[in-house]
Amino acid sequence: ELKVEQNPLFLSMQEGKNYTIYCNYSTTSDRLYWYRQDPGKSLESLFVLLSNGAVKQEGRLMASLDTKARLSTLHITAAVHDLSATYFCAVDGDGNQFYFGTGTSLTVIP
Amino acid sequence: EPEVTQTPSHQVTQMGQEVILRCVPISNHLYFYWYRQILGQKVEFLVSFYNNEISEKSEIFDDQFSVERPDGSNFTLKIRSTKLEDSAMYFCASSDFWGGQPQHFGDGTRLSIL
Repeated sequence: ELKVEQNPLFLSMQEGKNYTIYCNYSTTSDRLYWYRQDPGKSLESLFVLLSNGAVKQEGRLMASLDTKARLSTLHITAAVHDLSATYFCAVDGDGNQFYFGTGTSLTVIP
Repeated sequence: EPEVTQTPSHQVTQMGQEVILRCVPISNHLYFYWYRQILGQKVEFLVSFYNNEISEKSEIFDDQFSVERPDGSNFTLKIRSTKLEDSAMYFCASSDFWGGQPQHFGDGTRLSIL
């Protein structure tokens, strides 16, 4: 069974600090997606990474993909309170299935 | 900006009853999906749908579940003989291509089984 694991599950960080969320997956997929979910809300697409070595940045968030290591990272730079949310990675599995990670609940403390 | 819309936002149903959750995907999208999220847990894939048929389904999507695109705009998820453990948030999503494109999610339907 395909597994997508995120680390850490919970993250509390101070404003202005940097941190990285890790996403490990067990399939050979070259496509990795990052989503954000605010409490009680839907999922918002952040990044789509389509090849080994892909790096994308939007504001204080930067995502990268290493398909050989089956690892994606979401790096947060100089965190601000507005980034508090749950972040999910997801991969295409065999066939037309999508597998989401366990999620990382981020709280940014002033 | 086009969006995926889901109705109702909250559905309360007695155990054993049938429910139909409705979704209107983005109009030019071709691929449609249903997911569920039990409170506080990860998002779980249920089914993908393309060209008026199921493309893929997960182990969760058993005979209790069915999907339909009854007309050119709606995409429905039917759950028969609901059980307490069916209580969850159900999200519909759509995309214009398979893979390599983000899926656009609706706001979800919270299903509560009593």
